[in-house]
Amino acid sequence: EDQVTQSPEALRLQEGESSSLNCSYTVSGLRGLFWYRQDPGKGPEFLFTLYSAGEEKEKERLKATLTKKESFLHITAPKPEDSATYLCAVLAARGAQKLVFGQGTRLTINP
Amino acid sequence: DTGVSQNPRHKITKRGQNVTFRCDPISEHNRLYWYRQTLGQGPEFLTYFQNEAQLEKSRLLSDRFSAERPKGSFSTLEIQRTEQGDSAMYLCASSLARGQAYGYTFGSGTRLTVV
Repeated sequence: EDQVTQSPEALRLQEGESSSLNCSYTVSGLRGLFWYRQDPGKGPEFLFTLYSAGEEKEKERLKATLTKKESFLHITAPKPEDSATYLCAVLAARGAQKLVFGQGTRLTINP
Repeated sequence: DTGVSQNPRHKITKRGQNVTFRCDPISEHNRLYWYRQTLGQGPEFLTYFQNEAQLEKSRLLSDRFSAERPKGSFSTLEIQRTEQGDSAMYLCASSLARGQAYGYTFGSGTRLTVV
């Protein structure tokens, strides 16, 4: 069964303090790994799709990387507006169209 | 086009009542998905449509749940005889058939509270 585990569950950082969020996955063939940001009371907002090991994507202070077993979301010099829950999800190769999500990492950036 | 629209945003209902939610996807997207999210968890897949055809249903979608997408446009999700365990955020998403590069666009959800 496809599975996604994110760590840590919650992370508090000071403004400007860089860190990384982890997403470990088990999937029978990977068609894509997705990162989303979710603010309280809102739906997930798409950030990145990664397809193969070694791939990297960047957007502002965020950089996502992918290996065969895990993905990292690196946050460089974060600002308070980066506070949100970050969700990781995988799309398996076996025909199905469903995204399998992890439980998320709740990130808080203190000014 | 303002993205994926879901109505209502909030719904409070008594146990045993029926409720219906509506999702209007991005107009050019032919795939539509329903997910359920409980507090502190990631979204869980319920079902998806390609145009008007419902192609996959999760085991989570019991007989009390039914979803439709008439004419391949908007979709409705109905829950009959609601139970307290149905309390959750119900999210709708849409995509193109080959939309992985652009992700799935989610709506803001309908928060259901069963009392």
